[in-house]
Parts: sequence; structure tokens; C-alpha cells
Amino acid sequence: GAVVSQHPSRVICKSGTSVKIECRSLDFQATTMFWYRQFPKQSLMLMATSNEGSKATYEQGVEKDKFLINHASLTLSTLTVTSAHPEDSSFYICSASDNPYNTGELFFGEGSRLTVL
Amino acid sequence: DAKTTQPTSMDCAEGRAANLPCNHSTISGNEYVYWYRQIHSQGPQYIIHGLKNNETNEMASLIITEDRKSSTLILPHATLRDTAVYYCIVRVGGGSQGNLIFGKGTKLSVKP
Repeated sequence: GAVVSQHPSRVICKSGTSVKIECRSLDFQATTMFWYRQFPKQSLMLMATSNEGSKATYEQGVEKDKFLINHASLTLSTLTVTSAHPEDSSFYICSASDNPYNTGELFFGEGSRLTVL
Repeated sequence: DAKTTQPTSMDCAEGRAANLPCNHSTISGNEYVYWYRQIHSQGPQYIIHGLKNNETNEMASLIITEDRKSSTLILPHATLRDTAVYYCIVRVGGGSQGNLIFGKGTKLSVKP
């Protein structure tokens, strides 16, 4: 299947700093990418949907000014956690579709574990 | 998207078939059944999906009942590396927003 890569896989930062996580589709063009967050022992929760060249669509309860999403090209989407706090510590996962109608499977990145001290 | 119901956890002996059930009694005619799994601290991995016919690939088989209200994922010869949380998800295909809504899944433990 297609490959989606995330970077960094782990990041530790101080409270109040901003952290950028990259999501790349390595061998296909992704018109749509999704960002999820997963807290320990919980399921994945969709944060936002990112479409290339347009503004992201955020799920209810997710602050768009805190979680900045940029999808500037068909192979790259970035999630920036601004002014991170300890409660933002989580496992962030992106997924991408190579099917513009999203009828096929989604391909997931390896995840990025953020720890805010 | 329709909700799904899965057992919280299951055990399976190594080398035996693992049969993971999923109920989706409110599934609509245009909703597909998808199965993903998540090994600890990794991103989810696609396994298989289907609409109404049974499907098989190199990883697993998907059996969907005739009324489409339930399905079973079959791992024919489970190995220790199949220990993971398995998610059954239904979602609409064909032009609508295709994000996946994850439930709590089934934690499958394959034991030697």
C-alpha cells in the first residue's frame, strides 16, 4: 500500500513553545489529509480535515488557532501546536487518501508522540 | 456514519483462526465496512474493506452477513504479531467526506 510518513516521531518541548509535525505522502498525491489525536488507552479522535490549497475543517471542540494546519502541496500537510501545554501531550496521527472520492482505504502515518513539560 | 459495536477484548491461541465480530445494525446501503488495526504506539494499519460481498486478501477475510448488519474479520492463522486493537468502521463512500470515525475497537491478544 501507499506510504505516509510523519516527522518527528517523538518530540519533547517546554510549555509555551510551538511544535510543528509534518505528514508526507511518499508515493502518491493526497488531496485530503486527516489529523487525529489519541490519548493513552483511548481511541483516535479526528481533529481536522485538510484539503490541499484550502482551509482545514476542524471538528467541534478543536481550536483552530491552537492547532494550525497547512496543506500547501499534494504531498505535505503540517500540524503546528501553538503555545503547547502539558494537556496537549498526546499521540498525533495523520492519514491521507489518494482517492479524491475517498472511497478507498486511508493510509496512516506512524504517529508523532508529543510530550509537553 | 453508522455506529459499530465490538467486544472489548478477545484472546486467541497462536496458529488458530481469530474471528472478530462487529455489529453495525444501522448501516446504510452506501456505507462500506472497513477494518483497521493498531499495534501499540503505531499508526493504524488498513486490513480490508467491503460493501456486501465477502472479501479476502493476504492479511484476512471479511465475512458480511446478507442483511449487512454484522460482519466478521477472520485472521486465518494468528501470530503473536497480530496482537493489536482491531477497529471495525463503517463509512460512506462515493464523493462524501471520507474520514474514519474510530470506536473503541477489540483488543486481540494472541497467546503462545
